[in-house]
Amino acid sequence: QQQVKQSPQSLIVQKGGISIINCAYENTAFDYFPWYQQFPGKGPALLIAIRPDVSEKKEGRFTISFNKSAKQFSLHIMDSQPGDSATYFCAAMFSGGYNKLIFGAGTRLAVHP
Amino acid sequence: GAGVSQSPRYKVAKRGQDVALRCDPISGHVSLFWYQQALGQGPEFLTYFQNEAQLDKSGLPSDRFFAERPEGSVSTLKIQRTQQEDSAVYLCASSSDRYNEQFFGPGTRLTVL
Repeated sequence: QQQVKQSPQSLIVQKGGISIINCAYENTAFDYFPWYQQFPGKGPALLIAIRPDVSEKKEGRFTISFNKSAKQFSLHIMDSQPGDSATYFCAAMFSGGYNKLIFGAGTRLAVHP
Repeated sequence: GAGVSQSPRYKVAKRGQDVALRCDPISGHVSLFWYQQALGQGPEFLTYFQNEAQLDKSGLPSDRFFAERPEGSVSTLKIQRTQQEDSAVYLCASSSDRYNEQFFGPGTRLTVL
């Protein structure tokens, strides 16, 4: 059962453009939604996270938009740079349990100069 | 140490061999997680430790998988009688308590021939 669905699988953006990655979840008990960035040969690194009591969170060029009623959230990368080329994973967690992260399948982003 | 470390970084095993994968979490981190990441997929939860107690092992795919953390710091994931479907990257993550950010190690890439 895929509890977190992520799209698109891959994304190509020109330098300076906006990258948008979408995720949908099923379990309404989830209450923490992080985004991770992973470079080849490295472990995932936390980029930005949101809890469902807010609809948007911005950190630098990265913004999470959260729609609780639709059970969807998205990552926007503004002014995308070649150094942003990586695989991005959305995830969800129920913090009342043991905090295991449920990951989406990932989006491979390529930012062309 | 600066972060979570894992060893070996790469492991090639013949089908049927036993393997042991080591995780050194960030010093003082109480919580430790193991995840399995198949090629092109998001990480999937395997097991969780709080100090030396294994509180959740619901993600272990079979009884060939065994994890331990006897002194509440270093953890070992052991896979007995490896099968080709065990080929994946095994990620370890730690956090200072179960509500905080999980820091991932670089992973061990296991290839079973």
